[in-house]
Amino acid sequence: EAGVAQSPRYKIIEKRQSVAFWCNPISGHATLYWYQQILGQGPKLLIQFQNNGVVDDSQLPKDRFSAERLKGVDSTLKIQPAKLEDSAVYLCASSPSPGTQYFGPGTRLTVL
Amino acid sequence: AQSVSQHNHHVILSEAASLELGCNYSYGGTVNLFWYVQYPGQHLQLLLKYFSGDPLVKGIKGFEAEFIKSKFSFNLRKPSVQWSDTAEYFCAVMGDSNYQLIWGAGTKLIIKP
Repeated sequence: EAGVAQSPRYKIIEKRQSVAFWCNPISGHATLYWYQQILGQGPKLLIQFQNNGVVDDSQLPKDRFSAERLKGVDSTLKIQPAKLEDSAVYLCASSPSPGTQYFGPGTRLTVL
Repeated sequence: AQSVSQHNHHVILSEAASLELGCNYSYGGTVNLFWYVQYPGQHLQLLLKYFSGDPLVKGIKGFEAEFIKSKFSFNLRKPSVQWSDTAEYFCAVMGDSNYQLIWGAGTKLIIKP
């Protein structure tokens, strides 16, 4: 079974630029999550999708972050414009049902 | 508000030593509990989980954890660690209302060969 795929693995941008991350969940997994993990901390949930609908985006900084999952499969997370404090690893996870989440390798973002 | 506390940010042990990593949570309702591990250069993967039943849960690679409801704890244990157990370990709690994971800050475990 293929795992959760994410790209790119690494990204370096300057502040005020925009960036997008892509996630392809495990086939058949209805629930998709985006997390932000800052060095030395646990993952922080940004947004949760159930199929192509948003379940919770209460911790997503909506003035600069956006996410979509148009066909209920792949998802993209965008930051525009980026700030220095956005430097982190962005994790995507999927789940077939409430319970165990399966994680991708993450995208390490550095904002200069 | 839900929260998870992992007591040690860094732990250094010698091979064959016994391991116990602490995890305490704050949540008023029914919880599901998880330990995830991240080996160097790899992604987060599930080590073990507790949903219900026997509070002593066994996971992969000889790890186990015990849910003690009265202490709001879910400590991770392994009787004899190996160098390959060097990794970062995260405790997480899922409440029964929104199926979201609340994470601890993680414990970096280094095993000296």
